[in-house]
Order: sequence, then C-alpha cells, then structure tokens
Amino acid sequence: DTAVSQTPKYLVTQMGNDKSIKCEQNLGHDTMYWYKQDSKKFLKIMFSYNNKELIINETVPNRFSPKSPDKAHLNLHINSLELGDSAVYFCASSQDLISGNTIYFGEGSWLTVV
Amino acid sequence: AQSVTQLGSHVSVSEGALVLLRCNYSSSVPPYLFWYVQYPNQGLQLLLKYTSAATLVKGINGFEAEFKKSETSFHLTKPSAHMSDAAEYFCAVSVDTGFQKLVFGTGTRLLVSP
Repeated sequence: DTAVSQTPKYLVTQMGNDKSIKCEQNLGHDTMYWYKQDSKKFLKIMFSYNNKELIINETVPNRFSPKSPDKAHLNLHINSLELGDSAVYFCASSQDLISGNTIYFGEGSWLTVV
Repeated sequence: AQSVTQLGSHVSVSEGALVLLRCNYSSSVPPYLFWYVQYPNQGLQLLLKYTSAATLVKGINGFEAEFKKSETSFHLTKPSAHMSDAAEYFCAVSVDTGFQKLVFGTGTRLLVSP
C-alpha cells in the first residue's frame, strides 16, 4: 500500500484554469506538507498542516489554497493557473511537527500549464 | 538561517567505483540532516538521516554518511556504485523554527557508467 498517495500524477491544463491535486496518507501521521519542485529540481516547502491546522505558509500566492478535511488528507487547489506554476508538486507527511522526524513523500504530481 | 550546499550538480562514476556526494550545512544549532534520493519521475525516498545519535549514519542501499561538525559536512558515500544508483540526490536540513521544515540543497545528479 502506498503510504502517501497523490492524484493526479500528470496534469496538463491551460492558463487561467483552476485545478486541484489530492493527497492522502495512511501512516496515521499528524502533519502533512506540500512541497514544490521547479524545473531546476529545486525543492521548497509551500505549506504544512498539523491536525488540519495550517502551520506554515511559505509566502505562497493566495491563488494556492490548501484544504485539510481531516488529518489524513491535504488537498491543493490552484486558481487562475499561470505558466510559472508548472512544476512537480509533492505531498508529504511526518509523525508530528517535531524537528528531525522523517518526512515521507508521495510520488509527485507533474503539472504543466500551457 | 539554516541551509545546505551541495557541491557539484553532476557526479559521474564508473560501476564499482566509490560514490562521494558532498553536502555542507550552515546552522547555529545542532542540525538534523537528511539525504533523499529521487529516481526519474518518482518521489523522494529517504536514504538516511542524522539526529545526533551517532556521527556515522548507515542508510539503505549501502549508503552511509558521516557528520563532521568541524567541517560542517554531511557527505554521502557508497563503496561501490551500481547502475541502479543513478538518480538525483538531495541533502536537506531540518530548520529550527519550532516546526518541522526541511530546507533542501540544489541536488546532485549521479551518473553511473558501465
């Protein structure tokens, strides 16, 4: 069973559209994250949630809106997509917020905006 | 602010040769350090992590890393490269913000030739 699963894996869409990426973890973890990997492979945190509560918002444009209906799910909705949003988006989870805990990543969602 | 620097965006080795991927960190407090591997079109998988229990950390797939405070380094090594080790490798530090947050290096692409 996949520990952190996200859908869709590939997404091609036009500028201006709205899209969502869904994420679920079956590890029983309290904390979930979204990371963005750009075309140069650079990885950066976008958001973290702990027990459905927003903890970190890394100055992401408000076109990006995460939603956590329960602690096992963290979805990412993106409004008015721009070319620069093309990237790989990784969902991840960890046992809790404590520094040093292992963060487990999903397989990634490849978003291409045309 | 805590950060990591990976020297060399590409490292090429022959099958059977020693693998050495370099990572230097910057941190004013004892850091938590991680190495992740990313195979093509896949997510990130934890290779190993340093959490101050032991300076020599053994990970999966025969990799290990040594924490050297005097050199602020956490280099990743493997005695004998396999073709299957070809991938992107990321060093990361857990930033001490009170909340778990990984800051990644820019990655090193390992190329293994027969």
